[in-house]
Amino acid sequence: AQSVTQLDSQVPVFEEAPVELRCNYSSSVSVYLFWYVQYPNQGLQLLLKYLSGSTLVESINGFEAEFNKSQTSFHLRKPSVHISDTAEYFCAVSPTNTDKLIFGTGTRLQVFP
Amino acid sequence: GAVVSQHPSRVICKSGTSVKIECRSLDFQATTMFWYRQFPKQSLMLMATSNEGSKATYEQGVEKDKFLINHASLTLSTLTVTSAHPEDSSFYICSANDAGSYEQYFGPGTRLTVT
Repeated sequence: AQSVTQLDSQVPVFEEAPVELRCNYSSSVSVYLFWYVQYPNQGLQLLLKYLSGSTLVESINGFEAEFNKSQTSFHLRKPSVHISDTAEYFCAVSPTNTDKLIFGTGTRLQVFP
Repeated sequence: GAVVSQHPSRVICKSGTSVKIECRSLDFQATTMFWYRQFPKQSLMLMATSNEGSKATYEQGVEKDKFLINHASLTLSTLTVTSAHPEDSSFYICSANDAGSYEQYFGPGTRLTVT
């Protein structure tokens, strides 16, 4: 079985400050890793994913995440956040032999001016 | 990009009635669709996996007779909450796989309130 832990339920941060949203997972099989973002009153959107290759993956809006196999982590980072980054962020894993997604409990990023 | 729609976005129904939620892939064919339930301040919990033309596969603890899923075409899956009760009030979200892709595209969700 797989599980995903997002230890921080809320992360408040000022605009232009750096941020890290933590994600750890547990799995007995190989997994793919994802970060999804949910803006208020909207559905989930894929932010970035790790399938294979380089362990550092980037999104088009400045977020990046690094897959660390030894620490079973996939933390999300951004060097300078904007007000518009305020949203709920979900980390998810998918066993490579299925198409199911297992989600963490989410982290609410609140960016203040 | 791939778009998934859900209808209705919000529904309020009386206890004991049934409610149908539609999930459509608008610009791609979805061989597999997923139904999730999201409680306030909690994560998405997978309810069932729906494959076109076959019976849905339900996760442990999800009553298949209460949550009827039909995936009649490659672009439409429906979830019917039968004999709804207040504890069924939740945010229901569907997603769809583009064939051959590892990515799931999510609908905007349906807020169900049972009074």
